[in-house]
Amino acid sequence: SQTIHQWPATLVQPVGSPLSLECTVEGTSNPNLYWYRQAAGRGLQLLFYSVGIGQISSEVPQNLSASRPQDRQFILSSKKLLLSDSGFYLCAWSPRGGYVDNQPQHFGDGTRLSIL
Amino acid sequence: GENVEQHPSTLSVQEGDSAVIKCTYSDSASNYFPWYKQELGKRPQLIIDIRSNVGEKKDQRIAVTLNKTAKHFSLHITETQPEDSAVYFCAANLGTYKYIFGTGTRLKVLA
Repeated sequence: SQTIHQWPATLVQPVGSPLSLECTVEGTSNPNLYWYRQAAGRGLQLLFYSVGIGQISSEVPQNLSASRPQDRQFILSSKKLLLSDSGFYLCAWSPRGGYVDNQPQHFGDGTRLSIL
Repeated sequence: GENVEQHPSTLSVQEGDSAVIKCTYSDSASNYFPWYKQELGKRPQLIIDIRSNVGEKKDQRIAVTLNKTAKHFSLHITETQPEDSAVYFCAANLGTYKYIFGTGTRLKVLA
C-alpha cells in the first residue's frame, strides 16, 4: 500500500532563518505531488505541485520554493523565513495516469511551523 | 479566479440529527469532487468523492449529491455521532492536476 511521510512534525524557526521540509511517498511510482499551507482555522492553500522530477508549478508568489530531486521526494524550502510563513504545511500525493483529474489526493501528517 | 464556496462555516447539531454542508464551484469543467474530514491537528482524510457522471453517492451514513447544472454539491451526514465532530472540506478539480478547496465547515455534534 502507499504511504506518505512528512517531517519534521513541528518546527520553530526564527525570522530570517532558512527552511527545508521533506516529503516522501512509498508504494507508488510517478505520483503527482503537492505542497499546501493551512493557516490556523483556515482552508488549504495550494503552494506548489509537481507532475515529474524537476517539474515544479508555483501557485502563489512568495519566498518559498519547491524541488523534486527524485520521483517520490518533494522538498519545500525558503532562504529567509517571514512571520507570515507560520502555518500547517501539508504534503499530498495523487496517482498518475488514466483519469488523473479523477483521483483523490492523500495527505501527509503535516508540519506545524512557527516563526518567532 | 476559480473558487469553491462552502457553507456554513460552523454547524452544531444534536447527536442523532442530520448535518448538511453545501459547496458551490465556479469552473464548469470540474468533474471530480472529493470531501475531506480533518480532525484537530491531523491530516485531512478523504471520506467520500463523486464524479460528474453520477448525481448521488452513498457510503453508510455519508452521502454526497451533485447538481452540475447549478454547479453545487452537498455532503449529508445522517445519525450524527460525537466522533463526526471535525472540520470538513469540499474540493473540486481544476483541470488535470489541481484542486481547489472550500474554506471548511466546523461541525460540532452535541451529545
